[in-house]
Amino acid sequence: EVQLVQSGAEVKKPGESLKISCKGSGYIFTSYWIGWVRQMPGKGLEWMGIIYPGDSDTRYSPSFQGQVNISADKSISTAYLQWSSLKASDTAMYYCARISPYYFDYWGQGTLVTVSS
Amino acid sequence: DVQMTQSPSSLSASVGDRVTITCRASQGISNSLAWYQQKPGKAPKLLLYAASRLVSGVPSRFSGSGSGTDYSLTITSLQSEDFATYYCQQYYNTPLTFGAGTKVEIE
Repeated sequence: EVQLVQSGAEVKKPGESLKISCKGSGYIFTSYWIGWVRQMPGKGLEWMGIIYPGDSDTRYSPSFQGQVNISADKSISTAYLQWSSLKASDTAMYYCARISPYYFDYWGQGTLVTVSS
Repeated sequence: DVQMTQSPSSLSASVGDRVTITCRASQGISNSLAWYQQKPGKAPKLLLYAASRLVSGVPSRFSGSGSGTDYSLTITSLQSEDFATYYCQQYYNTPLTFGAGTKVEIE
């Protein structure tokens, strides 16, 4: 069974750094792209970027380029989404999802990130 | 970027109704369109891909159609578990883009 399990909810202050994770199981992790999707409170879905864990090829949405870093550790079948300096506007639910072949077929449960002073 | 204009933004319907949601792309996307269902507090769930191909396990009351720039999702005989928000997404090119969503509410 394909599963993507994300790390738990986070509460951070503005300016702090954060790295959230997404662990894949039930499939060959290195053979599928993983994407990250943001959902701000009460809003729609926004594609942030994707990574191919096999070779760490990464593509970003122009809206998120330079704002976040996407990485993966294929040895532990885990993808990451990282911020170096959080802002209040980063408060959102973040989903990881497997891409097969071009759409999101399996989703993680989401990680709620709250940034507040 | 390919802009996806989804309509309506919300609708009220009753169990048993037929419901249609439309998505218009800012350029032709060659059926490179997926539809997702999201229930409150849950992750989105893939319903259809390639505009009209139903994901295994999704009830046959869901169907998709369209071509070029215009696509639609139809739910025949709406069931109580279908009350949710629906999103279209194009994967013709990057950045991948979603429609703004359609909330299907109980009338």
